[in-house]
Amino acid sequence: AQTVTQSQPEMSVQEAETVTLSCTYDTSESDYYLFWYKQPPSRQMILVIRQEAYKQQNATENRFSVNFQKAAKSFSLKISDSQLGDAAMYFCAYTSGTYKYIFGTGTRLKVLA
Amino acid sequence: NAGVTQTPKFQVLKTGQSMTLQCAQDMNHNSMYWYRQDPGMGLRLIYYSASEGTTDKGEVPNGYNVSRLNKREFSLRLESAAPSQTSVYFCASTPYSANPYYEQYFGPGTRLTVT
Repeated sequence: AQTVTQSQPEMSVQEAETVTLSCTYDTSESDYYLFWYKQPPSRQMILVIRQEAYKQQNATENRFSVNFQKAAKSFSLKISDSQLGDAAMYFCAYTSGTYKYIFGTGTRLKVLA
Repeated sequence: NAGVTQTPKFQVLKTGQSMTLQCAQDMNHNSMYWYRQDPGMGLRLIYYSASEGTTDKGEVPNGYNVSRLNKREFSLRLESAAPSQTSVYFCASTPYSANPYYEQYFGPGTRLTVT
């Protein structure tokens, strides 16, 4: 069965610094998609970034980028120039197209002024 | 375009009471989902509907029933609420049944407390 693991329940970063959130997953599929979602205090889930497994190039969206290591089954999120508005829960998610999306347990990010 | 809407936003029930959580999307999405979110456990899938007319159990279906009323609406029913069902419930949808490229679009959530 596929699993997604986020081993850091909580992380802190100084404003303007860089932080990396970890995510590992387990699957026997060769083609799948990975996502990072942000959940601010408002509870609304917002897509941050997505990665297609067959693409070697790491996805980037403005200050957000991923380090995708397919062989190691690792999918970490790097936030550069952290801002106070980045404070939120971050969830890593996986799907292989079987209608089901599997989520990790989340990492709470605190941004210190 | 409201996206995914959920009602109510908050609800308090007594043990044994029943209620239905409503979810609707106006994006013409095929697939819809119900999750519960508990501290330290992430989002767990309760039920999903791959397309209109079909529903399937997820990871934690016990104590819940669902109805895919039409393409837009997917409701979640608690027949006899229990304190273990205290949680935040999210409805989500995706555009295509078999295309995993698309992320899930989430509603704002319902915070349910069962006393």
